[in-house]
Amino acid sequence: QKEVEQNSGPLSVPEGAIASLNCTYSDRGSQSFFWYRQYSGKSPELIMFIYSNGDKEDGRFTAQLNKASQYVSLLIRDSQPSDSATYLCAVNSDNDMRFGAGTRLTVKP
Amino acid sequence: DTGVSQDPRHKITKRGQNVTFRCDPISEHNRLYWYRQTLGQGPEFLTYFQNEAQLEKSRLLSDRFSAERPKGSFSTLEIQRTEQGDSAMYLCASGPINQPQHFGDGTRLSIL
Repeated sequence: QKEVEQNSGPLSVPEGAIASLNCTYSDRGSQSFFWYRQYSGKSPELIMFIYSNGDKEDGRFTAQLNKASQYVSLLIRDSQPSDSATYLCAVNSDNDMRFGAGTRLTVKP
Repeated sequence: DTGVSQDPRHKITKRGQNVTFRCDPISEHNRLYWYRQTLGQGPEFLTYFQNEAQLEKSRLLSDRFSAERPKGSFSTLEIQRTEQGDSAMYLCASGPINQPQHFGDGTRLSIL
């Protein structure tokens, strides 16, 4: 059984702080890793993807991957109230995409 | 707008009726995926196509569910003899091979 685990939250951070979202996965053969943002009642929106160990930065977002620990994280710097949403971690192995249940983030002004 | 398009956005039907949803992917994407999402959960994989071929179907998918992509472009998802438990958001996504998927706005199904 391929599992993707996330802390459901809610995670609450003040505006301007760094939000740290974490995800673990069970399938060591996983090849690609994605973070999606989902606002209430909306569909998931791709934020970041990462394929190799290490960090990948895009604006205020940094994805971190550690395949040895089967761990992927998303850091959001200078958090804004508009970042308040559910963040879904997705893991792809052999064309089988599995999603975590999501972490609900609230950024308080 | 060249994103993934789904129709209808909302569907309300009585238990036992058949429903069909349509998805128009981004035109250059040869992979098309169907997911189901319920409140508080992440999207659950149902099936995917590469061009017109259905390459994988979830073991969780009952025989009441069928999907087609006859010409490798748009896809339909049909649910026969709907049940209360089928109430969910049905999401379609598309993407090139081994590349990120992009989601449509979804079809919200409510079974009365």
